[in-house]
Amino acid sequence: GAGVSQSPSNKVTEKGKDVELRCDPISGHTALYWYRQSLGQGLEFLIYFQGNSAPDKSGLPSDRFSAERTGGSVSTLTIQRTQQEDSAVYLCASSVGTGFDEQFFGPGTRLTVL
Amino acid sequence: GDSVTQMEGPVTLSEEAFLTINCTYTATGYPSLFWYVQYPGEGLQLLLKATKADDKGSNKGFEATYRKETTSFHLEKGSVQVSDSAVYFCALPASGGSYIPTFGRGTSLIVHP
Repeated sequence: GAGVSQSPSNKVTEKGKDVELRCDPISGHTALYWYRQSLGQGLEFLIYFQGNSAPDKSGLPSDRFSAERTGGSVSTLTIQRTQQEDSAVYLCASSVGTGFDEQFFGPGTRLTVL
Repeated sequence: GDSVTQMEGPVTLSEEAFLTINCTYTATGYPSLFWYVQYPGEGLQLLLKATKADDKGSNKGFEATYRKETTSFHLEKGSVQVSDSAVYFCALPASGGSYIPTFGRGTSLIVHP
């Protein structure tokens, strides 16, 4: 079956523009996570969803970041008024249960803010 | 809270050398333990896991043993290949009231022919 997919794979934008990153999790996975990976760094947790609700938004770096999930499936991470420090790889992961099980990662979206 | 400590990289080896990447953890109880691998330009994928003390996880020639006494889960491979070049992450699943897994910072492995 299909794995986790993310789009676009690469995004180059100008400072101040808004961007939307999309994640399609594995069908039937109720938990969905967003992480950020800066160059040479580990994983930074951003937000997770259980179904369509996001109980923990504590990892979002600022109010310019928001995310939603619809139909218990696709999720969109939106970054408004992008800054150069937002440049990173954004990874999405899904799992059957919430955080206790193996996570299945997408290939990531590489965001470059000029 | 839970934490994972991995040895700093990069680890640079010649092909067919023996590999050890150290991982120690702090956690409540006896959680499962995971190693994930991230090949260049890809997302993370599960490499192996162990669910209880003294369990040995293995896959693709890699092994790691869950050591409760030393709270460690070191990754080993007897003979590395160039294709093993990647970043390796040790991880704890979520626990208690948190639903957020804990990842180590990752260890980069570079294998030269």
